[in-house]
Amino acid sequence: EDKVVQSPLSLVVHEGDTVTLNCSYEVTNFRSLLWYKQEKKAPTFLFMLTSSGIEKKSGRLSSILDKKELFSILNITATQTGDSAVYLCAVEERYGGSQGNLIFGKGTKLSVKP
Amino acid sequence: DTGVSQDPRHKITKRGQNVTFRCDPISEHNRLYWYRQTLGQGPEFLTYFQNEAQLEKSRLLSDRFSAERPKGSFSTLEIQRTEQGDSAMYLCASSFEGIRWRHEQFFGPGTRLTVL
Repeated sequence: EDKVVQSPLSLVVHEGDTVTLNCSYEVTNFRSLLWYKQEKKAPTFLFMLTSSGIEKKSGRLSSILDKKELFSILNITATQTGDSAVYLCAVEERYGGSQGNLIFGKGTKLSVKP
Repeated sequence: DTGVSQDPRHKITKRGQNVTFRCDPISEHNRLYWYRQTLGQGPEFLTYFQNEAQLEKSRLLSDRFSAERPKGSFSTLEIQRTEQGDSAMYLCASSFEGIRWRHEQFFGPGTRLTVL
């Protein structure tokens, strides 16, 4: 079963557009939710979210978590061609003494056209 | 460059051969993770270490896979009798987990394995 579901799976926009990427999750013992950007190499960290309703911002990117409805969104405003990448959502579970491994969604492939 | 390095970056092997990958984490990080990623999918967790102890292994980690972190620093992932289905990008990540604080996982560049 898919524990982390991202939508849409792919998205094509033009420079300057604003996009919203969605991530819903279903885990028993939630610890945190993370967003990563992956170009043709390893994922690079964007945000870690642990509390509901607190927006995290970094330049044109922002993200928020809703622990009641079990989802998060990643917003990118004034998109640029350099934003083209796969955006991965991952949930960190906590169970027993072991914690920390990430469960990833399939990703949203964003293409920004000039 | 996140500070996590992996070697080799690419490996092509024939089915049935054994391969070994190495990961060097950020030096002060006490946790080290291995993931596997195939085309069009997100990374899948394989195993992780806290210092030299292997604390968890995914069901994806069959008997042909073994990972070690002998001195709590670098780690190796070995695949014995490789199969074509093992072809993937193998990612290593490291993080720090302490009593009072922690931070996120930093990923290495990955080792791309192709099994012919």
